[in-house]
Amino acid sequence: KAGVTQTPRYLIKTRGQQVTLSCSPISGHRSVSWYQQTPGQGLQFLFEYFSETQRNKGNFPGRFSGRQFSNSRSEMNVSTLELGDSALYLCASSPGTESTNEKLFFGSGTQLSVL
Amino acid sequence: DAKTTQPPSMDCAEGRAANLPCNHSTISGNEYVYWYRQIHSQGPQYIIHGLKNNETNEMASLIITEDRKSSTLILPHATLRDTAVYYCIVRVSIIQGAQKLVFGQGTRLTINP
Repeated sequence: KAGVTQTPRYLIKTRGQQVTLSCSPISGHRSVSWYQQTPGQGLQFLFEYFSETQRNKGNFPGRFSGRQFSNSRSEMNVSTLELGDSALYLCASSPGTESTNEKLFFGSGTQLSVL
Repeated sequence: DAKTTQPPSMDCAEGRAANLPCNHSTISGNEYVYWYRQIHSQGPQYIIHGLKNNETNEMASLIITEDRKSSTLILPHATLRDTAVYYCIVRVSIIQGAQKLVFGQGTRLTINP
């Protein structure tokens, strides 16, 4: 079974641009979550999608958005990039049908650098 | 979400058991304890989780105290490949099925040859 796939692996953008990151979950998984990891703030939850609906959201500005398609693939978008958006963006998938007794499987992440 | 406290770093000799402690004194009755680890520049990897009973799998053992306020992850025979940051997470259900992990700073475990 293929794992969680994130593309691209590395990305360089300049301030003010926007960026779209992609995540393909494990086959059969319907929940996709996104996390941001920086040296200063660690791993922080961005949002979670289940059946094309945002089910949970972290404390990030509206410049960060996402969506999920009918095949459970997900994209996240960051508009008007700032230097502080430089981070490793991680996607995780899970079946999404249980509450707390469910493992999340993470992809390798997209390393975004904003210049 | 319940907060966890872990030592920032630990060392262990290769071949010995690595015991990683975690305090979660505000844990509630329906909250699971999860352990993940992250090797540099990779995504976190699931290790083990439990509610109140001790758990064991092919990677590790999880010992949860009777009052559930603390737990210990045990890697029985540590290898150099176990060098990573280990996260202890207490996970609560926000709404039915909603998935969210709240990561602390974790413990940086270094296995020495």
